Amino acid sequence: EAGVAQSPRYKIIEKRQSVAFWCNPISGHATLYWYQQILGQGPKLLIQFQNNGVVDDSQLPKDRFSAERLKGVDSTLKIQPAKLEDSAVYLCASSLGPPTGMGGYTFGSGTRLTVV
Amino acid sequence: AQSVTQPDIHITVSEGASLELRCNYSYGATPYLFWYVQSPGQGLQLLLKYFSGDTLVQGIKGFEAEFKRSQSSFNLRKPSVHWSDAAEYFCAVGRGQNFVFGPGTRLSVLP
Repeated sequence: EAGVAQSPRYKIIEKRQSVAFWCNPISGHATLYWYQQILGQGPKLLIQFQNNGVVDDSQLPKDRFSAERLKGVDSTLKIQPAKLEDSAVYLCASSLGPPTGMGGYTFGSGTRLTVV
Repeated sequence: AQSVTQPDIHITVSEGASLELRCNYSYGATPYLFWYVQSPGQGLQLLLKYFSGDTLVQGIKGFEAEFKRSQSSFNLRKPSVHWSDAAEYFCAVGRGQNFVFGPGTRLSVLP
């Protein structure tokens, strides 16, 4: 089975620029997550989709971050405008059921964003 | 609110030595408990999980973890560490849609 695909792997941008990340989950996984992992910290959930609907976006900085999951498959996460503190690894994950279900998550390799 | 503590930011062990990584949690009820490993430049991989039953759970790569309700702990162990075990280890707790990761423990392995 193919894993969770993310692109790009690395991105360097200047502050106030915009950036977008792409995620393709495992086929058949209805639930998709975007996590932000700042250096030295555990992953923090930004947004969770169930099919193409948002389940939880309580920790998403909505003034600058947006995400969509068209047709309930691929997803994009956008930051506009970026700030220095947005430098982090952005992880996408997918699951068949809830994250604490028997299958757990499957994570992608992440996109490392550096804002200068 | 649920929270996860991993008291050790960085641990260094010699190859072949035993390993124990600590995890403590705060949760309103008995949560489901997980350990994930993240190798450099990679996503997180599930090592093992505890839902109920036997409090000693076996995982992949020779890891095991023990749930101690009285101590709110879920420590990860391995009897003999290999150089390839060098990575970041995350404890996570939750139920249903509520899921929280700890800050992680970085493991270095000396030859």
